[in-house]
Amino acid sequence: GAVVSQHPSWVICKSGTSVKIECRSLDFQATTMFWYRQFPKQSLMLMATSNEGSKATYEQGVEKDKFLINHASLTLSTLTVTSAHPEDSSFYICSARTARQAVGELFFGEGSRLTVL
Amino acid sequence: DAKTTQPPSMDCAEGRAANLPCNHSTISGNEYVYWYRQIHSQGPQYIIHGLKNNETNEMASLIITEDRKSSTLILPHATLRDTAVYYCIVTTGANSKLTFGKGITLSVRP
Repeated sequence: GAVVSQHPSWVICKSGTSVKIECRSLDFQATTMFWYRQFPKQSLMLMATSNEGSKATYEQGVEKDKFLINHASLTLSTLTVTSAHPEDSSFYICSARTARQAVGELFFGEGSRLTVL
Repeated sequence: DAKTTQPPSMDCAEGRAANLPCNHSTISGNEYVYWYRQIHSQGPQYIIHGLKNNETNEMASLIITEDRKSSTLILPHATLRDTAVYYCIVTTGANSKLTFGKGITLSVRP
């Protein structure tokens, strides 16, 4: 199947700093990418949907100025957690699909674990 | 998208079939049933999906009842590596969003 890669796999940062997480589709062009967040022992929560070349659509309750999403190309989307605080510590997961895939068939990255001290 | 209900957990013996149930009694005619799984500390993995017919692939089989109000994911010969959280999701896919519930934790014992 198609491969989606995230980087970094894990990151530790100090409170108040910003962290960028990259999501790449390695062998296909992703027209749409999704960002999820998962807290310990909880399910995945969709944060935002991004389409290449356009602004991301954020889910209710997700601060767009805090979680900056850029989908500048068909193979790369980035999530920047600005002014991170300990409560932002979580497992961030991206997923991607092409226009040709079944609408609910997504390919997920390996996830990026963020720890804010 | 219709809501799904899954038991919180189940276990099975290695080598035996694992039958994971899912209720989706409010499913509408244009909604598909999708199954994903998430192994600990990894991203979810697509398993299978169906509309009304039973489906089979190299990973699993999906059995959907005739009234489409429930389905069962079957892992024919469970291995220890199948231990994971399995999510049953119902969606039209119209907006491409997948909403994950709590899923069912499958533990495969030696």
